[in-house]
Formats: sequence, structure tokens, C-alpha cells
Amino acid sequence: GAVVSQHPSRVICKSGTSVKIECRSLDFQATTMFWYRQFPKQSLMLMATSNEGSKATYEQGVEKDKFLINHASLTLSTLTVTSAHPEDSSFYICSARVSSGRFSEQFFGPGTRLTVL
Amino acid sequence: GQNIDQPTEMTATEGAIVQINCTYQTSGFNGLFWYQQHAGEAPTFLSYNVLDGLEEKGRFSSFLSRSKGYSYLLLKELQMKDSASYLCAVRDPPDSNYQLIWGAGTKLIIKP
Repeated sequence: GAVVSQHPSRVICKSGTSVKIECRSLDFQATTMFWYRQFPKQSLMLMATSNEGSKATYEQGVEKDKFLINHASLTLSTLTVTSAHPEDSSFYICSARVSSGRFSEQFFGPGTRLTVL
Repeated sequence: GQNIDQPTEMTATEGAIVQINCTYQTSGFNGLFWYQQHAGEAPTFLSYNVLDGLEEKGRFSSFLSRSKGYSYLLLKELQMKDSASYLCAVRDPPDSNYQLIWGAGTKLIIKP
């Protein structure tokens, strides 16, 4: 199947700093990329949907000025958590959608665990 | 509203069979997905159903009844490595981005 990479896999930062997470589709061009957040023992929560070359669509309750998404190309999307606080500590996962005939499947990156001290 | 229900946790024995149910109420329907997620890892795709019936893939099978808003994931010959959370997700059109609506996941515990 298609491969999606995410970098970094784990980051620890001080409160008030900004953290950038990269999501790359390695062997395909992703029509759409999704950013999720997952707290312990909870399901995936969609934060935003991004299409290459256009502004991301944010879910209700997600601050677009705090979670900056840049979808520069069909293979790269970045999520920047600005002025991170301890409550932003979570598992951030990206996925990329590829059209493959019968259905459009989402392939997930390995996730980034963010810990804000 | 949009709602997907699945049991929070299930326990089964190695070598046995387990069925994880998922019911959904969504404004539309364009396919149901099952994903497996091990602790601390991202989800991996297991199966996709868009028509009624059973889809079999090795030890895993998934069933869908659109009229009942119901699906199940059947795992046979359980192995210890099958201990994970299993997520049910529904794609609800006409969103052109093909967003998925996610259930909370079922944590499956396999005992020797």
C-alpha cells in the first residue's frame, strides 16, 4: 500500500514554543491530507482537511491561528502548533487520501507524539 | 446528528473467534471502513464495505447491512498480536474531501 511518513515521531518542547510536524506521501500524490489529534484512550479527532494549494478547512473548535497548516505540494503538508501549551500534548496523526478506483482510502502516517512541558 | 457506536472493550481467547459490532446513524453513507490501531501507533487499514454483504480477507472478515446501519468485523484464529483497538469509520458524502466519521474504537484484549 501507499506509504505516508511523518516527522518528527516524538517531540518534547517547552511551553510557548512552536512545533512543526511534516507529513509526506512517499510514493503517491495525495489529493487531500487530513490532520487528526488523539488523546489517550480516545478516538481520532479530525482537526482539519487540506488540499494542495488551497487553505485548510478546520473543524469546529479548532483554532486555525494556533494550528497552522501549509499544504505546499501534493506530497507534503505541515502542521505547526504555535505557542504550544501543556494541553496541546497529544498524538498527532496525518493521513493522505489517494483515489484508487473503487474507493478512496486514507493512509496514515506513523504519528507524532507531542509533549509540552 | 452523526453517531457511530461500538463496544468500548472486548476480551477473547487466543485461537478463538471474536465479532466486533458497529452501528451508525449518519446523514449519508458512502462506505464503511475498519482500521486496526496498536497502542501508540497510527491506524492501519483493514477493510472497506460499501455494498451489503461479507468481505473476507484472510483471518478478517467484515459485514455490512446498510438498511440496519450495522457492520461487524470478524476475527478468526485469534493471535496475541491481534490485541489492539479496532476503529469503525463511515464516509458520509457529499463532502468531496471524503472525510471519515470515526467511532471511539473497541479495545480487544487477547488472553492466552
